[in-house]
Amino acid sequence: DTGVSQNPRHKITKRGQNVTFRCDPISEHNRLYWYRQTLGQGPEFLTYFQNEAQLEKSRLLSDRFSAERPKGSFSTLEIQRTEQGDSAMYLCASSLRQDDYGYTFGSGTRLTVV
Amino acid sequence: GENVEQHPSTLSVQEGDSAVIKCTYSDSASNYFPWYKQELGKGPQLIIDIRSNVGEKKDQRIAVTLNKTAKHFSLHITETQPEDSAVYFCAARRYSSASKIIFGSGTRLSIRP
Repeated sequence: DTGVSQNPRHKITKRGQNVTFRCDPISEHNRLYWYRQTLGQGPEFLTYFQNEAQLEKSRLLSDRFSAERPKGSFSTLEIQRTEQGDSAMYLCASSLRQDDYGYTFGSGTRLTVV
Repeated sequence: GENVEQHPSTLSVQEGDSAVIKCTYSDSASNYFPWYKQELGKGPQLIIDIRSNVGEKKDQRIAVTLNKTAKHFSLHITETQPEDSAVYFCAARRYSSASKIIFGSGTRLSIRP
């Protein structure tokens, strides 16, 4: 399968712990996006990369959140000192710059903070 | 920034009937309008999109219409089938190298047998 891959699919963590999620985009896609989706809502933009450069960050991305894409391939999203309000589905998507309209989403990582 | 509003939030139709979902957007510079379908436990999947130089686009049983003046766009599904049951999201973006897609809040479509 050559789609967008996200790991883990589910993560349960205690409040205050750090968590890290990984996204592997479609191999030839140079743009990578992170979104957050809470129950009953549409995806909300968090941040995006073009190759290894992080070009935009939403104000939703507090200083407890950090995202990296060190070699322009896979990306990680880390949440430090998790809070119950961080419980959500974290979605990753990728796109080709020259076909820069629709995104291909992964299946997401569902985070539950207890 | 862009704001996309979507309604209804839930929609139930008889199998074989048509379903219509409507969205409005706020940023007059938005020129790309995708629609996504999300099934349980999966990420959103692009099903159709329309650009602002086009008023209507059709792909088999689904069609989208765009009214730029009113900043409205709609998804039409005809001859609905059980597999159409899902959550549908409209979205908008301004075409530029530094622009992201902004999503509506979703419509849960249920098809009654």
